[in-house]
Amino acid sequence: KNQVEQSPQSLIILEGKNCTLQCNYTVSPFSNLRWYKQDTGRGPVSLTIMTFSENTKSNGRYTATLDADTKQSSLHITASQLSDSASYICVVSPIPGGGADGLTFGKGTHLIIQP
Amino acid sequence: EPEVTQTPSHQVTQMGQEVILRCVPISNHLYFYWYRQILGQKVEFLVSFYNNEISEKSEIFDDQFSVERPDGSNFTLKIRSTKLEDSAMYFCASSPTRDTQYFGPGTRLTVL
Repeated sequence: KNQVEQSPQSLIILEGKNCTLQCNYTVSPFSNLRWYKQDTGRGPVSLTIMTFSENTKSNGRYTATLDADTKQSSLHITASQLSDSASYICVVSPIPGGGADGLTFGKGTHLIIQP
Repeated sequence: EPEVTQTPSHQVTQMGQEVILRCVPISNHLYFYWYRQILGQKVEFLVSFYNNEISEKSEIFDDQFSVERPDGSNFTLKIRSTKLEDSAMYFCASSPTRDTQYFGPGTRLTVL
């Protein structure tokens, strides 16, 4: 069964610090992996999308890495800001072409940034 | 910047009643989706829609669910006879190319 596991479940850090969120998946065959940010009570917003051939992708202070051999991804947040407080969701697509059909979502990491 | 919009933001209904959740996708997008998220759980795919028909649906999307694109702008999800376990956030998403979905703010459905 396709699964996406994220760790930690929750994380509290001080404003200005860096942090790294982890995602392990068993989805196979694998097409692409996405990281979303979801503010409380809002819909997910895409941060990065990587195909199996990409190792790293950045979006401002967010940097995602991917190791397709070990089926692991990480999301690194640099110089955290209060507005980074949210759930970060790892989503893996098993279908070539990256369509939404069959997307497997992780439960997310709940990140809290404290002043 | 164009956004996906959803109405209502919160819907409270009695068990057994029909509900219709409405979405206005981004205007030039071609692919449309519904997801749901039960409180404290992960987002789950319900259905995808393209070219005026369902392209894929999950096990959750049973005969109680239906989707429609009644005109050029709206995309609706109907639940015919709601159950307690249908209580969740329902997210609509749209995409121009199937690669990145743009999610709406969600409708919180509470079934009493």
